[in-house]
Order: sequence, then structure tokens, then C-alpha cells
Amino acid sequence: GAGVSQSPSNKVTEKGKDVELRCDPISGHTALYWYRQSLGQGLEFLIYFQGNSAPDKSGLPSDRFSAERTGGSVSTLTIQRTQQEDSAVYLCASSLEWQGLGGYTFGSGTRLTVV
Amino acid sequence: QKEVEQNSGPLSVPEGAIASLNCTYSDRVSQSFFWYRQYSGKSPELIMSIYSNGDKEDGRFTAQLNKASQYVSLLIRDSQPSDSATYLCAVRAYRDDKIIFGKGTRLHILP
Repeated sequence: GAGVSQSPSNKVTEKGKDVELRCDPISGHTALYWYRQSLGQGLEFLIYFQGNSAPDKSGLPSDRFSAERTGGSVSTLTIQRTQQEDSAVYLCASSLEWQGLGGYTFGSGTRLTVV
Repeated sequence: QKEVEQNSGPLSVPEGAIASLNCTYSDRVSQSFFWYRQYSGKSPELIMSIYSNGDKEDGRFTAQLNKASQYVSLLIRDSQPSDSATYLCAVRAYRDDKIIFGKGTRLHILP
């Protein structure tokens, strides 16, 4: 697509429920990144994909978080047994190449609220 | 630990004046440097990239890079109220797997 598309744009969920966040990168972008941004905070790196592979998962905050990417395109970030501290804006970004010098293009984000 | 440091602000600048935003980074092998603008409630938008020492100009924006001092800056000339936003400095090393972001400087242009 023309830009990075994320869905849903907003999600309110009850504590303890599982949620799935979706990211559709720019067509042809091989690298995909997930960040989250809590209110008034900076960007916290979560995970990246080169193709369908996620070489480094150490940025994921806990084992309740997982992510996958299929077909070198769409990625899903899953949070199991959500907690209130998971409330944040989850941002997805893509870039043309993985270990290059270019910047990212961000999607509009998913605002997750855990009540 | 690779770090990018920015003054959190807020930085208040009168309309029409020059806004100067600064950033330092810790990783000497960083090779790409970016400025992102983030309006409240929106996602970051890439506004400038710079790869070589010196100045790079794009319209009212000038990015300045000094690798010896590990320092990056962004100048905004003729500041407009629409420039009021948080500006994120970001750096990347070749063959590194991700961009490292600073926490951002909040800029407020006074009408």
C-alpha cells in the first residue's frame, strides 16, 4: 500500500484479555519494526522483522508479548493476559531494507487501553 | 548501551524566529541521523535525514551534523505555530538492526 497501515486504530480491552494488533507495511519494504510509546514517554523498541524472521526478541517486555510476520508482509503483535501497564500507543514502521541507512515510515498507531 | 540525548523542553520560540534543537549520541559508529516531528496524538513523521558532516537544508529546515562532537542539530527558520510539536532525534549505525530514538524535545512556537 501507499503507507503503513495499522489496525485497529483504537482498542479498549479488559484486563486479562488477549489482543492482536495488525500492521501492513509499505509494499516492497522488507524490514518491519514494532515500537510502543506510553503517555509522555519516548519510543520503546519491541521487535523487528527482516522478512519473516525476528532475529532479536529481547525488546519484548515480557513473555506475554509475541509477534509474527507472514509472507514478508503483514505482521501481528499479540499481547496475552493484558495488564494496565500495557496501555500505550503501539507503532509499526517499515523500511526498504534491514541493515541500511534509511529512515522508517511509521503507521498511525494503535492506541491500546487496558481497563 | 547506545543512547540519544535531547533536552525535553518545552522550548518556547516566538513566531518568525529561529528554533534550534540539539541532540547528542553515544555510539561513534552511528552513520545515519534523523529528525522526526510528532504532533500530539499522531505518529512520528520523518522530516530530515543527514549522513555527512556539515549542513543539509530543506526549505525552512537545516540539519547540522558534527560526528567528531557526536552532535546533531535541527534549525527551523521563520518558525510558524504549525511547527509546534515534539521533535525526535534518531540515529542508526550501518548494519545495526534498529534506529535509536531520543525522548524528544517539545517545541512551542508563540504567536
